[in-house]
Amino acid sequence: NAGVTQTPKFRILKIGQSMTLQCTQDMNHNYMYWYRQDPGMGLKLIYYSVGAGITDKGEVPNGYNVSRSTTEDFPLRLELAAPSQTSVYFCASSYKGQGTDTQYFGPGTRLTVL
Amino acid sequence: GENVEQHPSTLSVQEGDSAVIKCTYSDSASNYFPWYKQELGKRPQLIIDIRSNVGEKKDQRIAVTLNKTAKHFSLHITETQPEDSAVYFCARQAYNTDKLIFGTGTRLQVFP
Repeated sequence: NAGVTQTPKFRILKIGQSMTLQCTQDMNHNYMYWYRQDPGMGLKLIYYSVGAGITDKGEVPNGYNVSRSTTEDFPLRLELAAPSQTSVYFCASSYKGQGTDTQYFGPGTRLTVL
Repeated sequence: GENVEQHPSTLSVQEGDSAVIKCTYSDSASNYFPWYKQELGKRPQLIIDIRSNVGEKKDQRIAVTLNKTAKHFSLHITETQPEDSAVYFCARQAYNTDKLIFGTGTRLQVFP
């Protein structure tokens, strides 16, 4: 199993540009999450999904959109990028239903908005 | 509130000494408490977790203790080694939500 994979690893955007951060998991996990981590800070939840077709907002959803059309994929869309969105973005997944809530993280996407 | 308070924010220890990191919370519905280790430039990785029906859990040099009454839980690392140097995050999850709430992290440095 590859686990949770994310693309791209790095990206530089200009203010106002848009992009999609990709996240895929091959563990048949039903739950998926997007976090952002600003330098020297903790993890803040952007959006999450409890299954295909279902998404919900986290702590910091403004400026982002998500979709979950399949179990495996959970892309994060940035519209009209702003410098405040400069951060490292982590995708995570977990399986609910067997007494475990362990979240497995992807390697992250480092995004800079100039 | 929702937040998890984590202390200290930085911790320096000599190799072989013990390290303790403490987190406090207020939501009494919290029932799952994982700890993640994040090395520089890497992803967070689960190192140990505990559920509210257990008071202590050990895995080799790492242990987590939970005091439900006082609403705090702690990570204990014994016989620290330089490779333990990393940022450690605590987190909590309530039984009636699907979200982990993370602490602000503790930067642990182990000096040889």
